[in-house]
Amino acid sequence: KAGVTQTPRYLIKTRGQQVTLSCSPISGHRSVSWYQQTPGQGLQFLFEYFSETQRNKGNFPGRFSGRQFSNSRSEMNVSTLELGDSALYLCASSLEGDRPLLYDFGPGTRLTVT
Amino acid sequence: SQQGEEDPQALSIQEGENATMNCSYKTSINNLQWYRQNSGRGLVHLILIRSNEREKHSGRLRVTLDTSKKSSSLLITASRAADTASYFCATDLTGGGNKLTFGTGTQLKVEL
Repeated sequence: KAGVTQTPRYLIKTRGQQVTLSCSPISGHRSVSWYQQTPGQGLQFLFEYFSETQRNKGNFPGRFSGRQFSNSRSEMNVSTLELGDSALYLCASSLEGDRPLLYDFGPGTRLTVT
Repeated sequence: SQQGEEDPQALSIQEGENATMNCSYKTSINNLQWYRQNSGRGLVHLILIRSNEREKHSGRLRVTLDTSKKSSSLLITASRAADTASYFCATDLTGGGNKLTFGTGTQLKVEL
């Protein structure tokens, strides 16, 4: 099966700009989650979408937003970028259903803010 | 914030040796999972252990879970250079919603 794909893989932006990252889940997976990974904070949960609805949200400022489309593809947006937003952003998809939660992760988008 | 800590933070061993890494967490869980990450890339799911299980095996991997101590360990036997990676435990918290909470990770280096 084709894995989770994320685009772009690398991105360099300037402080104050905004950025949109894209994630295509594995075919049939209806839940998409986003995580931010930094050396200082490790892996932090951003949000989770299912059927175009945000079901869970992590402790991030409102500058971080996301959405999911009817084909389960998801995007996340970060507005007014700060240096601290430099990170690896990981998308994970999973089948909807009972636990256990089993995720397939994408390769990530490396965002550098200068 | 992260659920807990992993130790050691870094581990360097020779090929053929066993590697053990530990994970501690803070609250009640549904299950605990281990993931591997190669050099800043995506995470790969390794193994899952449910809260009512004490030990699980998968190939060269052995995971134990002690819910009374809120801790888990991952043992990789007969390690290979290809096992060099960062290893993370992730907990599915009871009542925590559809998300995993990750530990701080252990960087494993297996030398030839």
